[in-house]
Amino acid sequence: QQQVKQSPQSLIVQKGGIPIINCAYENTAFDYFPWYQQFPGKGPALLIAIRPDVSEKKEGRFTISFNKSAKQFSLHIMDSQPGDSATYFCAASEKSSGDKLTFGTGTRLAVRP
Amino acid sequence: NAGVTQTPKFQVLKTGQSMTLQCAQDMNHEYMSWYRQDPGMGLRLIHYSVGAGITDQGEVPNGYNVSRSTTEDFPLRLLSAAPSQTSVYFCASSRYTPPGEPPYEQYFGPGTRLTVT
Repeated sequence: QQQVKQSPQSLIVQKGGIPIINCAYENTAFDYFPWYQQFPGKGPALLIAIRPDVSEKKEGRFTISFNKSAKQFSLHIMDSQPGDSATYFCAASEKSSGDKLTFGTGTRLAVRP
Repeated sequence: NAGVTQTPKFQVLKTGQSMTLQCAQDMNHEYMSWYRQDPGMGLRLIHYSVGAGITDQGEVPNGYNVSRSTTEDFPLRLLSAAPSQTSVYFCASSRYTPPGEPPYEQYFGPGTRLTVT
């Protein structure tokens, strides 16, 4: 069973729009929540990450919102650009084994010019 | 600094054949891991290693073997390939994170696309 559930599976937005990708988890031992960005033919690369002691983290145009009580977190991309078109994965890991990541199923984002 | 390298980029195997996927990193990272990526499944952890001589199983280890004789290299062996092992395989590395500490960034290789017929 999927420990980290990600939605939507795919997303199309116009340039300048704000795509939102959502993830939910059940394992309360998770305490590190990274997002990875993957371009076609490439390996995933870390985009931004959050720990549950904060509710929001921003890095440039990318923001993670975290709701500990609901066990949900989401990625927002402000002023999206065609270059943001990629597959995005949320992930989670436990404090006891921080390097072992459990990934969501991925969201394919297309940003139209 | 090449980062994480994987060879080959593409491979086609017949059912029952064996092969080794190579992974190397030049960042002196203690932690290395193998994932497989399948449509609609995300990335799933196959095996991982926290240092030379130490390996452990991930979520989907069946049909795969690993060894870690050096810090730099972490090969993945398919002993008897099956069509269910058709996938894209990624190797990743990072500094080892002690339990309870914020994890270090993991760096992924470019992947190996494997088809088993």
